[in-house]
Amino acid sequence: GAVVSQHPSRVICKSGTSVKIECRSLDFQATTMFWYRQFPKKSLMLMATSNEGSKATYEQGVEKDKFLINHASLTLSTLTVTSAHPEDSSFYICSAPTSGGPREQFFGPGTRLTVL
Amino acid sequence: AQSVTQPDIHITVSEGASLELRCNYSYGATPYLFWYVQSPGQGLQLLLKYFSGDTLVQGIKGFEAEFKRSQSSFNLRKPSVHWSDAAEYFCAVGAYGNKLVFGAGTILRVKS
Repeated sequence: GAVVSQHPSRVICKSGTSVKIECRSLDFQATTMFWYRQFPKKSLMLMATSNEGSKATYEQGVEKDKFLINHASLTLSTLTVTSAHPEDSSFYICSAPTSGGPREQFFGPGTRLTVL
Repeated sequence: AQSVTQPDIHITVSEGASLELRCNYSYGATPYLFWYVQSPGQGLQLLLKYFSGDTLVQGIKGFEAEFKRSQSSFNLRKPSVHWSDAAEYFCAVGAYGNKLVFGAGTILRVKS
């Protein structure tokens, strides 16, 4: 199956700093990628849809200025958590759908963000 | 709006016993349904999917699921559970724009 990678797998940062998380589709092109946030012992919450060549679409309640998304190419989307605070600590997961027809999504391994 | 309900937060089964994880969905059109498994600190792995056709679908690791439209259900089953199956399982429905709506998840514990 298709492979999606994320980098870094873990990051610890100080409050007030910004953190960038990369999501790459390794063996297929993805015009759309999705970013999810998962709280401890909770399900995945869709944050935004990343669109190659255009602005991301954010879900209701997600701060656009806080979570910057850039879909720079057909294989790369980045999520930047700006001015991170401890409440932003979470597990962030990206996914990318295959092309054509009803789409199956492939998930990255996730990034554990801890803000001190 | 689409929604997915997984009624069981935790399930414990003995190794070798059969397993059924429940999933009910709410969706106005023909649903695309998925089961994913997640080990601690890891991403999600697709176990199986239903798009159309045969309502009994086979997946990886010996799992299967049956789509029942009349009950709006897509329960996951395995005839004999192995200790390595201990993980969290998520049911999801494919919504507009290829988004996925996830259930709350079911944590499976396997007793030896």
